[in-house]
Amino acid sequence: GESVGLHLPTLSVQEGDNSIINCAYSNSASDYFIWYKQESGKGPQFIIDIRSNMDKRQGQRVTVLLNKTVKHLSLQIAATQPGDSAVYFCAENGASGGYNKLIFGAGTRLAVHP
Amino acid sequence: NAGVTQTPKFRILKIGQSMTLQCTQDMNHNYMYWYRQDPGMGLKLIYYSVGAGITDKGEVPNGYNVSRSTTEDFPLRLELAAPSQTSVYFCASSYTQGAGQPQHFGDGTRLSIL
Repeated sequence: GESVGLHLPTLSVQEGDNSIINCAYSNSASDYFIWYKQESGKGPQFIIDIRSNMDKRQGQRVTVLLNKTVKHLSLQIAATQPGDSAVYFCAENGASGGYNKLIFGAGTRLAVHP
Repeated sequence: NAGVTQTPKFRILKIGQSMTLQCTQDMNHNYMYWYRQDPGMGLKLIYYSVGAGITDKGEVPNGYNVSRSTTEDFPLRLELAAPSQTSVYFCASSYTQGAGQPQHFGDGTRLSIL
């Protein structure tokens, strides 16, 4: 069945380092991918998205890379700060092809140490 | 703007009781969604709505009902609460379903069924 999974459930980094959070997806029909950040006790917060006609997209301190050949998605955070500590989710739109029925991964916890 | 507002934030129910989780948004978004998030799992779509008067099932609709009488409000109803419905419930909204129109989430309702 469809699934979105993550390679690392917990990632610990030092403040100032770059972080890379990985995500594998299984549905080759997915053409839209999103990264969300969820802080404790809060709802998910949109970070960045990418469509399948792109390999890379940059935002403020974040970059998403998409490798369709191996069905892999990554989120890179530059100069990681304590405020980046959270759970990060990737999501795909799956076989529906639309943008309503997102499939979320289980999440990766990012812990930033001073 | 308040964004997406969910009430209550916490609730404990007894098995067989009913309740309505409230969700309202002030962004004039057409699309609204209800998700549940179980510990260590990604969000799963319960129901969604593309506009007032229109609702559709998501991945896990059993045991829930929704209505969309106005653009702003999208309540989720549990008729006969069961322990399996213990979860954190998130409401989200988006302006349309296009890529680049991310879903905006509320801060959730934490529901325990005992």
